[in-house]
Amino acid sequence: EVQLVESGGGLVQPGGSLRLSCAASGFTFSSYEMNWVRQAPGKGLEWVSYISSSGSTIYYADSVKGRFTISRDNAKNSLYLQMNSLRAEDTAVYYCARDDYGDGWGYWGQGTLVTVSS
Amino acid sequence: QSVLTQPPSASGTPGQRVTISCSGSSSNIGSNYVYWYQQLPGTAPKLLIYRNNQRPSGVPDRFSGSKSGTSASLAISGLRSEDEVDYYCAAWDDSLSGVIFGGGTKLTVL
Repeated sequence: EVQLVESGGGLVQPGGSLRLSCAASGFTFSSYEMNWVRQAPGKGLEWVSYISSSGSTIYYADSVKGRFTISRDNAKNSLYLQMNSLRAEDTAVYYCARDDYGDGWGYWGQGTLVTVSS
Repeated sequence: QSVLTQPPSASGTPGQRVTISCSGSSSNIGSNYVYWYQQLPGTAPKLLIYRNNQRPSGVPDRFSGSKSGTSASLAISGLRSEDEVDYYCAAWDDSLSGVIFGGGTKLTVL
């Protein structure tokens, strides 16, 4: 069974840092592209970042470029999102999602809440 | 502000057919596939339609997608009370080099 489990969320002060993790199981993690998507409280979905299966290709939303870093460890079946210089507007539930070769994001984690507040 | 434009709300009565529109531009819908996601409150989104009009296994054929030019639509026929959730369209944008979502449509079953 495919599972994606996010962790690492929590309360952080503006300007602070946080590292999110997404543990994958039930599939060959190294064969799939992955994404981070976030959703602010009461708001819509916002794509955050993409990483190719090997990690060689990475994209970011303009809203997080220069502050967030996506990475993966295929040996550990894990996806990461290093978030620096956090702002109040980064407050959201962060989801990791598996990219099924252009057939959409069929598997999502349960999400982890990041709250940026003093 | 979302680059893909969806109506914030839509409604219909049980059994009726409703459509949700998603309007974009040549750099996104006009040149890339459209995807639709359904989201129940407090849960992760669920893939409903991929590559404009394809349904993942397990998605009822009451749901269908279409695309024409720089616009796309999600149609739901035989409306049921459990369809009363949020729907989002998404597409890759060549100009932004990223994925963009519509603002979401909350469907109400009257």
